[in-house]
Amino acid sequence: DIQLTQSPSFLSASIGDTVTIACRASQDISTILAWYQQKPGKAPKLLIYAASTLRDGVPSRFSGGGSGTEFTLTINSLQPEDFATYYCQQLDSFPFTFGPGATVDVK
Amino acid sequence: EVQLLESGGGLIQPGRSLRLSCAASGFTFNNYVMNWVRQTPGKGLEWVSAISENGDTTYYNDSVKGRFTISRDNSKNTVYLQMSSLRAEDTATYFCATRGFDYWGQGALVIVSS
Repeated sequence: DIQLTQSPSFLSASIGDTVTIACRASQDISTILAWYQQKPGKAPKLLIYAASTLRDGVPSRFSGGGSGTEFTLTINSLQPEDFATYYCQQLDSFPFTFGPGATVDVK
Repeated sequence: EVQLLESGGGLIQPGRSLRLSCAASGFTFNNYVMNWVRQTPGKGLEWVSAISENGDTTYYNDSVKGRFTISRDNSKNTVYLQMSSLRAEDTATYFCATRGFDYWGQGALVIVSS
């Protein structure tokens, strides 16, 4: 199975900050990676697919990058609604696997 | 509007069986692969199973292979997850999700405990 790690696990930030979350895959997955945002009690919400393609309706302050084994999710000008947990997921091969998550909370 | 609504969760004893349902609306269901994903506080998000558009092909995580069965009824726009030989470690919130994980249900809580 392809393992995903995320760093940092927790991040304290302020409104207006730029935050970057990293996701590392245990093997080359090209750009077959998605990013999700999850708030307590809710289902994950797809933000980015194919490593860097923003889903329709997702604010442009979110961006993704990377390929192979190293990926990033960047949130520019953090907004109050962005405090949440973020997960990466590889869809390159079964079983699809998720990273352990990175929580962005208020500093 | 795409909607996915899970049902069938609850408290169940170890070793017993339970069937989850996910009713879909707002899209052409029989054109979509469907997935089940579960989430626990300890293990995070875990992809469980997927089924092809016509139901002919299924995929499972090794953690549930041989115990869980995914199926679908395209006439009812519903995907199912039959769970048997349930274990404490199957305790989780179970979500159904569309092919690209772009739409998710609200989740169904399954608690396996005596």
